[in-house]
Amino acid sequence: DGGITQSPKYLFRKEGQNVTLSCEQNLNHDAMYWYRQDPGQGLRLIYYSQIVNDFQKGDIAEGYSVSREKKESFPLTVTSAQKNPTAFYLCASSIRGANQPQHFGDGTRLSIL
Amino acid sequence: EDKVVQSPLSLVVHEGDTVTLNCSYEVTNFRSLLWYKQEKKAPTFLFMLTSSGIEKKSGRLSSILDKKELFSILNITATQTGDSAVYLCAVASSEKETSGSRLTFGEGTQLTVNP
Repeated sequence: DGGITQSPKYLFRKEGQNVTLSCEQNLNHDAMYWYRQDPGQGLRLIYYSQIVNDFQKGDIAEGYSVSREKKESFPLTVTSAQKNPTAFYLCASSIRGANQPQHFGDGTRLSIL
Repeated sequence: EDKVVQSPLSLVVHEGDTVTLNCSYEVTNFRSLLWYKQEKKAPTFLFMLTSSGIEKKSGRLSSILDKKELFSILNITATQTGDSAVYLCAVASSEKETSGSRLTFGEGTQLTVNP
């Protein structure tokens, strides 16, 4: 079945540690996105990528980094510079084009130890 | 700065009631407005609206967009307990029609349907 797979479902980070969240899709979508969701809030865009080897900052990119070496994969690294990383992280993908809906993975919940 | 505002933030109804959820926006380079339903994990796509006045329907759910007044509504008739969820409104914007859009989300409306 086609879909978007995020792993792990739950992740704990120690102070000063970098952690990487995985996002893989087999929908043959060109565009991929990372969002952060805090309790009682909507989603905020961290980074997005329209094609392989290219990505742009979203609204809250500070403290995060991404790579897009393969079409299917768009990993997100939460660095130690991100002082408030506890949140629910959602990855999405879409066909490239202005009027294409984004479809989401099941998310990764990140907490601080 | 792009902005999407949803109201109400929270709503509690009884099964069988009809509800209307509101979404207003201020966005440059508007492309479309999308509605998602989020239960526990991934938001699931409901509707995408690009033109004013054309009502989209899917069973008991319907939605309409007003591009002049910059708002959309999502109606749910004959509500069921399974409709309990957070409903997210998002607006897609992009500088070029051929490039992908970035979404700006509202805070969401938490709908609770009691039996």
